[in-house]
Amino acid sequence: DQQVKQNSPSLSVQEGRISILNCDYTNSMFDYFLWYKKYPAEGPTFLISISSIKDKNEDGRFTVFLNKSAKHLSLHIVPSQPGDSAVYFCAANSNYQLIWGAGTKLIIKP
Amino acid sequence: KAGVTQTPRYLIKTRGQQVTLSCSPISGHRSVSWYQQTPGQGLQFLFEYFSETQRNKGNFPGRFSGRQFSNSRSEMNVSTLELGDSALYLCASSFNGIGTDTQYFGPGTRLTVL
Repeated sequence: DQQVKQNSPSLSVQEGRISILNCDYTNSMFDYFLWYKKYPAEGPTFLISISSIKDKNEDGRFTVFLNKSAKHLSLHIVPSQPGDSAVYFCAANSNYQLIWGAGTKLIIKP
Repeated sequence: KAGVTQTPRYLIKTRGQQVTLSCSPISGHRSVSWYQQTPGQGLQFLFEYFSETQRNKGNFPGRFSGRQFSNSRSEMNVSTLELGDSALYLCASSFNGIGTDTQYFGPGTRLTVL
């Protein structure tokens, strides 16, 4: 029973364009959502988060949008850069546990 | 400040054996969490230790256990290894724990069970 789903295993985007990564969840009790980025042979690194009381949070090139009625969040990266090529995980917090999606591999084409 | 370190980085074991993985958190961090990552799966939460006490536990069998020492270093043990235990095991540390502040991950230990 996957409570957090990232339905796109991979995404290819041209350098300079917008990358949009999507995440769906089923548990309305999640109160906090996070995005992590992972390079090969490294652990995930925190990117950006959003509380369930907000619908948008921005940090430089990264913006996370939360649509609670649709139980959907998305990460926008503008403009996309070659160094953004990585696997992106969304995670949701509930009862002091993080439930993770399976990840989306983002490939930025030059 | 040194990051989270995990040892060993790679490990090969055979079915039925047991294994111990080690995690050293960032200095000052009191919480250490462990995750299992298998291909095509997100990170699966194993357990969290905070100030030497297990604070939370995921849905894994009792073969998976852990502990935390007074210096916050943590070990994870898997007994009677199965082929399905082959995975990347990640640990993460934070000051106050999951859901309260950012978790910082180590590079992981790649366990292969033959």
